[in-house]
Amino acid sequence: KAGVTQTPRYLIKTRGQQVTLSCSPISGHRSVSWYQQTPGQGLQFLFEYFSETQRNKGNFPGRFSGRQFSNSRSEMNVSTLELGDSALYLCASSSGHEQYFGPGTRLTVT
Amino acid sequence: DAKTTQPPSMDCAEGRAANLPCNHSTISGNEYVYWYRQIHSQGPQYIIHGLKNNETNEMASLIITEDRKSSTLILPHATLRDTAVYYCIVRVNFYNQGGKLIFGQGTELSVKP
Repeated sequence: KAGVTQTPRYLIKTRGQQVTLSCSPISGHRSVSWYQQTPGQGLQFLFEYFSETQRNKGNFPGRFSGRQFSNSRSEMNVSTLELGDSALYLCASSSGHEQYFGPGTRLTVT
Repeated sequence: DAKTTQPPSMDCAEGRAANLPCNHSTISGNEYVYWYRQIHSQGPQYIIHGLKNNETNEMASLIITEDRKSSTLILPHATLRDTAVYYCIVRVNFYNQGGKLIFGQGTELSVKP
């Protein structure tokens, strides 16, 4: 079974721009979660989508949004980028107890 | 979700058992204990989970105390590739809460030759 894939793997953006990150879950998994990892705050939960509906949401501003498509692929969008949005963005898919994480997208905001 | 407490770092000699403790004194009856690890610059990896009984799989063993207020993850024969940050997470199961995981700071395990 193919694992969770994320594209792109690396991204450099300028302050004020917006960015869209993509996540393809493991086949058959309907749950996709997104996390942000920074050296200062560690791993923080952003949101989870299940069958195209947001099921859980973390404590992030509205600039962070996401969606899920009918094939369970998910995208997250960050608008009006700030320097503090520089981070590793991870997505994970699940069908039960185990969450399977992708390799992440490293976003650098300059 | 119940809060967990882990030591920030531990060392282990290669080939020896690594025993990683986790305190979760406020755990509720329907909350599971999950362990994940993150090798540098990679996505976290699921290791094992349990409710009240001890569990073992090909990667590790999970020992949960009878009162469920603490647990220990055991890597029976640690290798250099087990060097990683290990996270202990307590939460209700996926079917009730979905895929939300709350990560703490974890334990940085260094396996030394």
